[in-house]
Amino acid sequence: DAMVIQNPRYQVTQFGKPVTLSCSQTLNHNVMYWYQQKSSQAPKLLFHYYDKDFNNEADTPDNFQSRRPNTSFCFLDIRSPGLGDAAMYLCATSRDRPGQETQYFGPGTRLLVL
Amino acid sequence: DQQVKQNSPSLSVQEGRISILNCDYTNSMFDYFLWYKKYPAEGPTFLISISSIKDKNEDGRFTVFLNKSAKHLSLHIVPSQPGDSAVYFCAAIRETSGSRLTFGEGTQLTVNP
Repeated sequence: DAMVIQNPRYQVTQFGKPVTLSCSQTLNHNVMYWYQQKSSQAPKLLFHYYDKDFNNEADTPDNFQSRRPNTSFCFLDIRSPGLGDAAMYLCATSRDRPGQETQYFGPGTRLLVL
Repeated sequence: DQQVKQNSPSLSVQEGRISILNCDYTNSMFDYFLWYKKYPAEGPTFLISISSIKDKNEDGRFTVFLNKSAKHLSLHIVPSQPGDSAVYFCAAIRETSGSRLTFGEGTQLTVNP
């Protein structure tokens, strides 16, 4: 009974070719997050949705966009992937805003940019 | 500016012994701290947390200690088991501002049988 599902698990794209990563959740949580994690580095928050409210981190490049069409789904769009965008992308959810609310993570999508 | 740091990228211990994973932070506004565990090909899973009003929180084999004056926390696993082998991430947050969870880089723990 997977709770946070990410598809695909591995994604290969070409330099400059738009790519979309998807995340779905069965927890009915209000908040959904996207993190980028490069090798041996800390997961870095890109943005999060609190219900329909989009919250972008100040240092997230414009190349990264997100959509949340409903409670269950959230998408990460990379408009023109560069080699430096190759990373693991983690989706997470929490019932409410960060604080003492536990974040539940999906297994991640590893993006390779050729 | 890495506000949460885990200076040991890896740690190896024998089964049955204590594992001690360390984490330092620089932002004195952080008031809630968490440890996540990550197995290969899986996302991080919540392990244990501690509020800044406490200096210790225990859950079974796992204990987290917080030293606010030193801006340091540690995770103790006693006794260590081979199934504990994973990457452990320390994370911190300032609860009242609803700010983002800030993660450390992770420590790979290997427990040898």
